[in-house]
Amino acid sequence: AQSVTQPDIHITVSEGASLELRCNYSYGATPYLFWYVQSPGQGLQLLLKYFSGDTLVQGIKGFEAEFKRSQSSFNLRKPSVHWSDAAEYFCAVGAHTGGFKTIFGAGTRLFVKA
Amino acid sequence: EAGVVQSPRYKIIEKKQPVAFWCNPISGHNTLYWYLQNLGQGPELLIRYENEEAVDDSQLPKDRFSAERLKGVDSTLKIQPAELGDSAVYLCASSLSTGGGYEQYFGPGTRLTVT
Repeated sequence: AQSVTQPDIHITVSEGASLELRCNYSYGATPYLFWYVQSPGQGLQLLLKYFSGDTLVQGIKGFEAEFKRSQSSFNLRKPSVHWSDAAEYFCAVGAHTGGFKTIFGAGTRLFVKA
Repeated sequence: EAGVVQSPRYKIIEKKQPVAFWCNPISGHNTLYWYLQNLGQGPELLIRYENEEAVDDSQLPKDRFSAERLKGVDSTLKIQPAELGDSAVYLCASSLSTGGGYEQYFGPGTRLTVT
């Protein structure tokens, strides 16, 4: 079965600074990888996903993520953070294990300071 | 296109009382999920439907939780009786089962408080 770890419970960055949120997964084959964002009181919204091909994927709101098989990682990045990016970010890994199953990480809460 | 609709948004009940949550998925999405999200945690799957069939309910506490998806469209999740530990956000999501890339679309959730 697959698993996913987000090592950072929370991160604080200054507005305009760059951002990197870490995600490590465990799965024997190439998994389906996702990043979702959740604003307070809202459901999760997909930022980007990786299935195959180019290991650098672009998402919405200026986010990108890079799949590194050797490190079992799928870190999320943004070159310049805006105050509106403050939210909870979830990495998720999906795989065909008795049907398609998606496992979510515990999340990283992003705080943005002025 | 309307998103996933959930109601109610908030519910406060006393322990041992029953409660029900309703979800209407995105039109055409035949896969529907119910998740439990505790504070500071990611969503945890309770049950997944493919059309009317519950294909994964291994994490659903069947002694008190039940769900149904009649006609393969909207769904109801019920807890009876509720316990203090059931206080959480209950999220509904939907997706296309094929050709959709397995990305899920989430509703805003129902925040349940059991007192």
